Amino acid sequence: QVQLQESGPGLVKPSQALSLTCTVSGGSISSGGYYWSWIRQHPGKGLEWIGNIYYSGTTFYNPSLKSRIAISVDTSKNQFSLRLTSVTAADTAVYYCARAMTTMIDYWGQGTLVTVSS
Amino acid sequence: DIQMTQSPSSLSASVGDRVTISCRASQSISSYLNWYQQKPGKAPNLLIYAASTLQSGIPSRFSGSGSETDFTLTINSLQPEDFATYYCQQSYSSPYTFGQGTKLDIK
Repeated sequence: QVQLQESGPGLVKPSQALSLTCTVSGGSISSGGYYWSWIRQHPGKGLEWIGNIYYSGTTFYNPSLKSRIAISVDTSKNQFSLRLTSVTAADTAVYYCARAMTTMIDYWGQGTLVTVSS
Repeated sequence: DIQMTQSPSSLSASVGDRVTISCRASQSISSYLNWYQQKPGKAPNLLIYAASTLQSGIPSRFSGSGSETDFTLTINSLQPEDFATYYCQQSYSSPYTFGQGTKLDIK
């Protein structure tokens, strides 16, 4: 059973960078066949796909965030990470990491709330 | 971006009822449509993928149908654990957009 766990600061100051890491257990990122994703959910709102990364490092980003995001993978640690720069209050959200097959997301982390505030 | 519009936004029903939730795409997405269930404080859970394929472990009272732009999630004989928010998502083209959600609560 694949499990994903997000980690990182729960509070980030405006204009700074948000950095989160997702640790995968029960399966290897290097095995291929899956995309590793970040999705966020603003408080009380719907879901927004942020981007995907393949084990090779190939990335796919939401154009609305592309100028501010970077997703990376560390196969030796079975982790992938999200960095979002120049954050504002509008980036306050629950951030989920997830595993995606080509057409659907089949495993999700529990989510971590990141608040942007001074 | 492909816009996904769900209706209704909220729905009240009773245990044992049959409910349907609609999802419309702003352009054709073939059958690249997924349905997720989300309970408060929890991550979404995949119910149906490719418009009509039931994810492993999901009860058969859940079903999906549709293609191109119009899709439906049907829940037969509602159970207490089904009261949640449901989201559709297109996986046809990036960015992979979600509907705004349909909150199903107890009447």
